Amino acid sequence: RKEVEQDPGPFNVPEGATVAFNCTYSNSASQSFFWYRQDCRKEPKLLMSVYSSGNEDGRFTAQLNRASQYISLLIRDSKLSDSATYLCVVNGGGNTPLVFGKGTRLSVIA
Amino acid sequence: DADVTQTPRNRITKTGKRIMLECSQTKGHDRMYWYRQDPGLGLRLIYYSFDVKDINKGEISDGYSVSRQAQAKFSLSLESAIPNQTALYFCATSLAGFTDTQYFGPGTRLTVL
Repeated sequence: RKEVEQDPGPFNVPEGATVAFNCTYSNSASQSFFWYRQDCRKEPKLLMSVYSSGNEDGRFTAQLNRASQYISLLIRDSKLSDSATYLCVVNGGGNTPLVFGKGTRLSVIA
Repeated sequence: DADVTQTPRNRITKTGKRIMLECSQTKGHDRMYWYRQDPGLGLRLIYYSFDVKDINKGEISDGYSVSRQAQAKFSLSLESAIPNQTALYFCATSLAGFTDTQYFGPGTRLTVL
């Protein structure tokens, strides 16, 4: 069962680069979408929610394409501190449990 | 102080032992969750509770039980631990269920020998 799929990476990028992650989901009834960040051996923390109109928070931009059932995360001007695993998270429609992708690992290199 | 705390942070136990993982929160949230994380598998939901009198099974509840002692406390028990329950366990809370931000505790690393 692969409800949320992500490229596991790792993505190794130099500082200052722009990097994009994609995530596909299988449940067309899904209504809530999130990107979480998880540092090594730490708990996941919300990076941003993803809205239908797309949203931006500083260097981070999230997009949702309902027709194709994918979500994207764009990171501009990558910093060393952006190195982490990024989790795509989708709910099952309505108030049903979240499904977590396996994560995409990013390493930003000096 | 952290809003969501978990004890213990690390635990090594033997097959067949009973173990309890505890979670406390000061966020005032009604919704609480237990997840486990395995390498290459992502986070999977074990149990969740929307209030003190509400307990629901998640995707992988077999071999686990929970107790919601109060709004702020949600415990996970392994009645008879087995090696494939070795994992990183996270407790989480949210204000408004699965459409809302989840706040995770720091995790408990459990090893079953």
